Amino acid sequence: DSGVTQTPKHLITATGQRVTLRCSPRSGDLSVYWYQQSLDQGLQFLIQYYNGEERAKGNILERFSAQQFPDLHSELNLSSLELGDSALYFCASSVSGSDSDEQFFGPGTRLTVL
Amino acid sequence: GQNIDQPTEMTATEGAIVQINCTYQTSGFNGLFWYQQHAGEAPTFLSYNVLDGLEEKGRFSSFLSRSKGYSYLLLKELQMKDSASYLCAVRGKDSSYKLIFGSGTRLLVRP
Repeated sequence: DSGVTQTPKHLITATGQRVTLRCSPRSGDLSVYWYQQSLDQGLQFLIQYYNGEERAKGNILERFSAQQFPDLHSELNLSSLELGDSALYFCASSVSGSDSDEQFFGPGTRLTVL
Repeated sequence: GQNIDQPTEMTATEGAIVQINCTYQTSGFNGLFWYQQHAGEAPTFLSYNVLDGLEEKGRFSSFLSRSKGYSYLLLKELQMKDSASYLCAVRGKDSSYKLIFGSGTRLLVRP
């Protein structure tokens, strides 16, 4: 158990819908990262927040947005869903205090868009 | 641009040694990570290299050559439970600490 929690574990929805994925980082970690992993694909970095502020953006679609709240939990919002958005979405957290900072991954949310 | 290459699949025998290679071309370099990921599960941290050389951690070792943009993960005394994907990830030289992952190498350990 990494200490990072994600809810829900599974999500099945229809095209055009909007969903929210939630992540709680490890206690003391200030940084949250979101990744997308499609079938047989590597982890694609989406976005990072540090202590409530957006720090880095990857290949995140305009239909997707995220935020980090004062209690440091984060939410990833996916809207106007398409079939191709079906994937595992991982959240990771780190202290972000040093270069050797490893990222601890949550169990993921499996999103299926029908 | 950023590019990280790993073999797609490898097969090895229980008890043997396997080396998984990773080559990278990134805009700046601030460390290389190896993660293990079992199917449908979260990646788990294996090793971190930022200086050239070998880092050993039990049955797993990781090597880095920054001048060659090359790393490998060495797994000794393979066990069936080592069947998993192994992800190479590079941290760029910016303030974000984000990781750029390769597509991963799927390792199958046979009896």
